[in-house]
Amino acid sequence: NAGVTQTPKFQVLKTGQSMTLQCAQDMNHNSMYWYRQDPGMGLRLIYYSASEGTTDKGEVPNGYNVSRLNKREFSLRLESAAPSQTSVYFCASRVESSYNSPLHFGNGTRLTVT
Amino acid sequence: GENVEQHPSTLSVQEGDSAVIKCTYSDSASNYFPWYKQELGKRPQLIIDIRSNVGEKKDQRIAVTLNKTAKHFSLHITETQPEDSAVYFCAANDAGGTSYGKLTFGQGTILTVHP
Repeated sequence: NAGVTQTPKFQVLKTGQSMTLQCAQDMNHNSMYWYRQDPGMGLRLIYYSASEGTTDKGEVPNGYNVSRLNKREFSLRLESAAPSQTSVYFCASRVESSYNSPLHFGNGTRLTVT
Repeated sequence: GENVEQHPSTLSVQEGDSAVIKCTYSDSASNYFPWYKQELGKRPQLIIDIRSNVGEKKDQRIAVTLNKTAKHFSLHITETQPEDSAVYFCAANDAGGTSYGKLTFGQGTILTVHP
């Protein structure tokens, strides 16, 4: 039981390049989330998926797209990377968005855009 | 949407002292308040949570209190140890509308426990 698995762990991109961050969970959770973490700003929600087949914008969605591929997988895509997207990205899941259950986080992806 | 403010941003204590971190929230409908601990280079991990139907919850050296009227909640760590050194985040859920179930996080508190 691996929990939430993110790939890659580290990535360096040049401005304008694209990439997809992968996330998978094996806990049969319905809801999945993408957060970014920047110094002094806590964790900010980019996009979330309350259930398979649905996605919604969070606090900072500009420059990102997501795909809920199936119940297990939720990917985050940067179409044209910018230096402002340099951050640590965390994927998380929880049993149900409407249930007050805790988030389970992956180990994060550290992204640098030059 | 929900807004969560966390204070202080940094906290330095001596081993054995108590540490208190405070958070305020804006949405009176919020009903779930977790606390996460993040060690350097690692993922946030839940240490304790509280729901709005209780005012206090304890787990060994850690306790959380909730004041719904004032819309604030606090984390209390007693008998601190060097391994408690980490960044601590509070969070509150959005309890209505289209953002139902989202967790909004505070800015984090860097806790340092000196031996």
